[in-house]
Amino acid sequence: AQKVTQAQTEISVVEKEDVTLDCVYETRDTTYYLFWYKQPPSGELVFLIRRNSFDEQNEISGRYSWNFQKSTSSFNFTITASQVVDSAVYFCALSGVGGGADGLTFGKGTHLIIQP
Amino acid sequence: NAGVTQTPKFHILKIGQSMTLQCTQDMNHNYMYWYRQDPGMGLKLIYYSVGAGITDKGEVPNGYNVSRSTTEDFPLRLELAAPSQTSVYFCASSPGRNTEAFFGQGTRLTVV
Repeated sequence: AQKVTQAQTEISVVEKEDVTLDCVYETRDTTYYLFWYKQPPSGELVFLIRRNSFDEQNEISGRYSWNFQKSTSSFNFTITASQVVDSAVYFCALSGVGGGADGLTFGKGTHLIIQP
Repeated sequence: NAGVTQTPKFHILKIGQSMTLQCTQDMNHNYMYWYRQDPGMGLKLIYYSVGAGITDKGEVPNGYNVSRSTTEDFPLRLELAAPSQTSVYFCASSPGRNTEAFFGQGTRLTVV
């Protein structure tokens, strides 16, 4: 069975601070994919990134960066110089290529509040 | 390009009634999914489909049914609604397995 744990239920920081959202996963698949989605107050889910289990290179996209460490089964997400528009619920998710159901296994999400 | 469209956006259903949540996508994606999101619980997979005529259960299928007669449409049927089915329902599609999923705007359903 797959599992995604986002231990931080809610984080509140002041604008311009850096913030890291933690994600720890469990899977028996040797090939798997990790995702981050953003859910702003309007409710839709916005795709941020997809990484496969064979690519451990960190990724940077503007103020966003992701740190994938297979040794600790973690896929953490950092926002640098946070802005009020970053306020949202962020979900980490996992999918595998084993014999289980298709689709994503989501964590419970981290509610990020950026205060002006 | 509309992407994934869900209707209705909001609905109140009485206990024991049935209804169908509609989902259509115009991206010619083979894979489609239904998730439910409960407060503080993330999203859980209800049913999915890998192509027209093929559906399978996800993690929480009880109380729901689906059909996939066309590539575009993937309706979710609730039979004998119960308060436990009060949730926000998201439909999604993707071009393949383990690829980026595109989500609809969600349907907020209340069963009273």
